[in-house]
Amino acid sequence: QKEVEQNSGPLSVPEGAIASLNCTYSDRGSQSFFWYRQYSGKSPELIMSIYSNGDKEDGRFTAQLNKASQYVSLLIRDSQPSDSATYLCAARKGQAGTALIFGKGTTLSVSS
Amino acid sequence: DVKVTQSSRYLVKRTGEKVFLECVQDMDHENMFWYRQDPGLGLRLIYFSYDVKMKEKGDIPEGYSVSREKKERFSLILESASTNQTSMYLCASSPPFGEQFFGPGTRLTVL
Repeated sequence: QKEVEQNSGPLSVPEGAIASLNCTYSDRGSQSFFWYRQYSGKSPELIMSIYSNGDKEDGRFTAQLNKASQYVSLLIRDSQPSDSATYLCAARKGQAGTALIFGKGTTLSVSS
Repeated sequence: DVKVTQSSRYLVKRTGEKVFLECVQDMDHENMFWYRQDPGLGLRLIYFSYDVKMKEKGDIPEGYSVSREKKERFSLILESASTNQTSMYLCASSPPFGEQFFGPGTRLTVL
């Protein structure tokens, strides 16, 4: 069974700090990875996708991918209370699969 | 912007009823998906479709069926609703090998 693992949290950080969210995956064939943010009672919203080893930056968000270690992370700089949500990591099934495998999510709480 | 809409935000049904959940996307995406999300279990894939009239079982297809007669519309059917199908149902769409975009979700309660 291919899996994506995340620490459920909660991860608590003060406003202005860097939040670091981590994810490991078991399917070595996966080539595409995604981070979604989900506020309580709402549907997941895509934040970033990453396909190559290294870092990808978008505003306050940086996604990092290390395929050798099967590890994906999301850094949120200058965390804001509005960043408080559950963050879902997802990996594409196999090299060219249609479906994604989702982790169960990490809950982030940013205190002001 | 991609827009995925679902027919209802909240739905209450009785055990044994036939339930239809509808999803429409306006971005001409080939792929459409149905998930359910439960506390502690995360997002679980029920069915997906990669083309009109084509469907594939996901991880938990038992008790569900789907229909895709038009490219923009994907329906989830609960043939005989049971209390263990009380859940949040999420529809998503994507282009081939692209990012998935979710609808707002339908919170279904089966009494």
